[in-house]
Amino acid sequence: AQSVTQLGSHVSVSEGALVLLRCNYSSSVPPYLFWYVQYPNQGLQLLLKYTTGATLVKGINGFEAEFKKSETSFHLTKPSAHMSDAAEYFCAAVSSGSARQLTFGSGTQLTVLP
Amino acid sequence: NAGVTQTPKFQVLKTGQSMTLQCAQDMNHEYMSWYRQDPGMGLRLIHYSVGAGITDQGEVPNGYNVSRSTTEDFPLRLLSAAPSQTSVYFCASSPVGTDSGANVLTFGAGSRLTVL
Repeated sequence: AQSVTQLGSHVSVSEGALVLLRCNYSSSVPPYLFWYVQYPNQGLQLLLKYTTGATLVKGINGFEAEFKKSETSFHLTKPSAHMSDAAEYFCAAVSSGSARQLTFGSGTQLTVLP
Repeated sequence: NAGVTQTPKFQVLKTGQSMTLQCAQDMNHEYMSWYRQDPGMGLRLIHYSVGAGITDQGEVPNGYNVSRSTTEDFPLRLLSAAPSQTSVYFCASSPVGTDSGANVLTFGAGSRLTVL
C-alpha cells in the first residue's frame, strides 16, 4: 500500500505570494497522484492528477504540481496566492490499476493573509 | 445532476446506539467508498464496493457494516456506536474502467457524527 506524507499541517502565505505545499509518497513503482482541495464544510474536489506522461501537471485555479520520481515527490504550487485559496489540501496516491486503495496524506491547511 | 448525496449532514448519538449513514449517487458509478476524516489523519478508507453485491474492507473497517444492493446506494451502518467513531464521514464514487486507479473520486458533502 502507498504511504503519503504531507510536510506542514499548516501553511500561511501572504496574498500574492508563492504557495508551496509538499507531498512525498513511498513507492518504488510510480503511483497515480492526486491533489484534492476541501473548502470549509464541503467535500473534496479534485485540483489535479498525475497518471502518466508529462511530469508537470496543471490544474484548476492556477495550481500545478510536478512529479519527481527521483525525489518521490509531488509538490503543489501556485505562483500567486489569492484569498479564495484558503482551504485544506490533500495529496493522495493509488497504485496503478486499482481504485481500491487510494491513500491520503494528513492534509495541509492553507491560510492566506491579507 | 446531483452527484453524491449524503444524509444526514449532522447526527448526535449516544454510546451503543445504532444508525445508518446514507449515500446515493446518480452517475452510474460502479465504485463507491466510505472514508472517515479525523484531524491530523487525513481521510481513511472504511469500506468500498466495486459493484452491486460486492463489498470489501478498507483500512479501518471495525465497527462498521456496508451493503450494496443497487448501483446507486451504499449505506454505512454503525451497529453500536462508540465515542471513537466521532468523525466526519465522506462517501465517494467513481467509474471503474480498464485503468480505474486513474479515475477521479466524486465526494459527497459529508456527514458529521458525534457519539456521546
